[in-house]
Amino acid sequence: LAKTTQPISMDSYEGQEVNITCSHNNIATNDYITWYQQFPSQGPRFIIQGYKTKVTNEVASLFIPADRKSSTLSLPRVSLSDTAVYYCLAKAAGNKLTFGGGTRVLVKP
Amino acid sequence: DSGVTQTPKHLITATGQRVTLRCSPRSGDLSVYWYQQSLDQGLQFLIQYYNGEERAKGNILERFSAQQFPDLHSELNLSSLELGDSALYFCASSVDGQAHTEAFFGQGTRLTVV
Repeated sequence: LAKTTQPISMDSYEGQEVNITCSHNNIATNDYITWYQQFPSQGPRFIIQGYKTKVTNEVASLFIPADRKSSTLSLPRVSLSDTAVYYCLAKAAGNKLTFGGGTRVLVKP
Repeated sequence: DSGVTQTPKHLITATGQRVTLRCSPRSGDLSVYWYQQSLDQGLQFLIQYYNGEERAKGNILERFSAQQFPDLHSELNLSSLELGDSALYFCASSVDGQAHTEAFFGQGTRLTVV
């Protein structure tokens, strides 16, 4: 089963860039890595997904090295509303989805 | 609003009882996923259905079962409930069951076992 680990928490300030790294071993060779954002009392919300190298959308970038044993979510110029828990998700063989433990990001003014 | 509807929002029941959680996926989505979120275990994948068929199984207990009906809604049945089953149960749906498909989550059902 894929094991995904990520830091428990990170603090940042408004306008800074936040980078969260997730380690995932035993990831399926043809699987994507996905990141979700979760606010209290809400379901997780999709942020970004990638397979290799770099993916960028309107809210984040995702960096995946060639060995795909880790991935880094980059949130540019965070604001107070980005305070949330961020989860990485990977899939192992047999379609078994595994979330990381979540990284609680606190953005301070 | 993700378009995924879960009912009920809250459920309180006693140990040993059985409950059914319901999920209506987004219109057009064929795949449904169930997750359990508790304070000590985080988000745990339980099971996935695609167009009525079981696609993948995660850390789902034998006391739990699920199914997806022809109209694509899904139910998660939890039986012989224990205090440790108290958690948030999320349903998510996606258009297909592939790895690179974005999944949309419902608001969850908060189950409290007393």
